[in-house]
Amino acid sequence: DTAVSQTPKYLVTQMGNDKSIKCEQNLGHDTMYWYKQDSKKFLKIMFSYNNKELIINETVPNRFSPKSPDKAHLNLHINSLELGDSAVYFCASSQGVGNQPQHFGDGTRLSIL
Amino acid sequence: GESVGLHLPTLSVQEGDNSIINCAYSNSASDYFIWYKQESGKGPQFIIDIRSNMDKRQGQRVTVLLNKTVKHLSLQIAATQPGDSAVYFCAENDGGFKTIFGAGTRLFVKA
Repeated sequence: DTAVSQTPKYLVTQMGNDKSIKCEQNLGHDTMYWYKQDSKKFLKIMFSYNNKELIINETVPNRFSPKSPDKAHLNLHINSLELGDSAVYFCASSQGVGNQPQHFGDGTRLSIL
Repeated sequence: GESVGLHLPTLSVQEGDNSIINCAYSNSASDYFIWYKQESGKGPQFIIDIRSNMDKRQGQRVTVLLNKTVKHLSLQIAATQPGDSAVYFCAENDGGFKTIFGAGTRLFVKA
């Protein structure tokens, strides 16, 4: 069974559209994350939830809205997509925050036309 | 050898040789360090971690060294194999909510 799964794996859409990416983890972890990886492979934290509470909210346009319906799920909704949103988005989870390794999904490659 | 600049730093090694990937971290308060491996089309995968009360930790074919004096971390891979070709990231955490990832190093293994 996949530990951290994200859907869809690929997302190709037009500028201005609204889209969502879903993430689920079956590891029983209490903390989940969204990262953005650019074309140079740089990984930047966007959001983190611990027990469904938002604990990290980096400088991200408010077009990006995370939602955590329960500890096993963290979804990302993006409004009014822009060209600069093209990237690979990774979901991750960990048990606790700070000094624990994170488990990553395989990413969602978002391409804006 | 290594190359740096606008592109992802790259390390090329011959199959069977040992690889050393280096990382300089920024926060002197960081007390937990992790190495991740990212293969093409996949997410980063945990390899090994080390806490600041240690300066060396060994896993299967991998060793992490921590030098807190100069804020330097390295990952050594013994007998490098083609399957080790990937991008490697170091990451640091100071006990807070946020883990900071380094820029990554691409490892090429030549057969």
